Amino acid sequence: KNEVEQSPQNLTAQEGEFITINCSYSVGISALHWLQQHPGGGIVSLFMLSSGKKKHGRLIATINIQEKHSSLHITASHPRDSAVYICAVRWGSQGNLIFGKGTKLSVKP
Amino acid sequence: DAGVIQSPRHEVTEMGQEVTLRCKPISGHDYLFWYRQTMMRGLELLIYFNNNVPIDDSGMPEDRFSAKMPNASFSTLKIQPSEPRDSAVYFCASSLGRYYYGYTFGSGTRLTVV
Repeated sequence: KNEVEQSPQNLTAQEGEFITINCSYSVGISALHWLQQHPGGGIVSLFMLSSGKKKHGRLIATINIQEKHSSLHITASHPRDSAVYICAVRWGSQGNLIFGKGTKLSVKP
Repeated sequence: DAGVIQSPRHEVTEMGQEVTLRCKPISGHDYLFWYRQTMMRGLELLIYFNNNVPIDDSGMPEDRFSAKMPNASFSTLKIQPSEPRDSAVYFCASSLGRYYYGYTFGSGTRLTVV
């Protein structure tokens, strides 16, 4: 059983729409990462958070530790936001990362 | 900084051959991770090092896989002998400190074993 679940698996949106990607996890964690993987394959770390909310440009990430849930929001989405967004949680004494399977986002012009 | 550098970008090899993937972490980063990404299983941690010492290799699928980090600026992941099911994208990542500050991935090596 995957301990990190993302939803939706696939998401298609029109340019300008507000987008939400969800991540739920089943273990106690010390931090959660949101990663972005573009069609070319490169992976970029967007956020690392352990509580509350972080914002960077049009991207907002929130986490609720009690509910074991995080969301990634994209405001005013753009075709260049099209990518796979991956949630990863850090747990355990060594801090290993466990990854979700990703959400494939496609933003149409 | 050039970021995490992996080589080669693409590798096609025949079943049974030895494959060596290379990674140069960001200078000053003390953690190095090797991941494998497949369509079926997503991203999986294979092994990680702290200050060149392997800490957890429980993700290494079998004895055919081995990883070394002879110094702070270089690591290899070797598969011998390779099998078609090893076909995947292999990523290297590095970070500063246990709390993954500056966590950065390389561009990956796409391995195809035929």
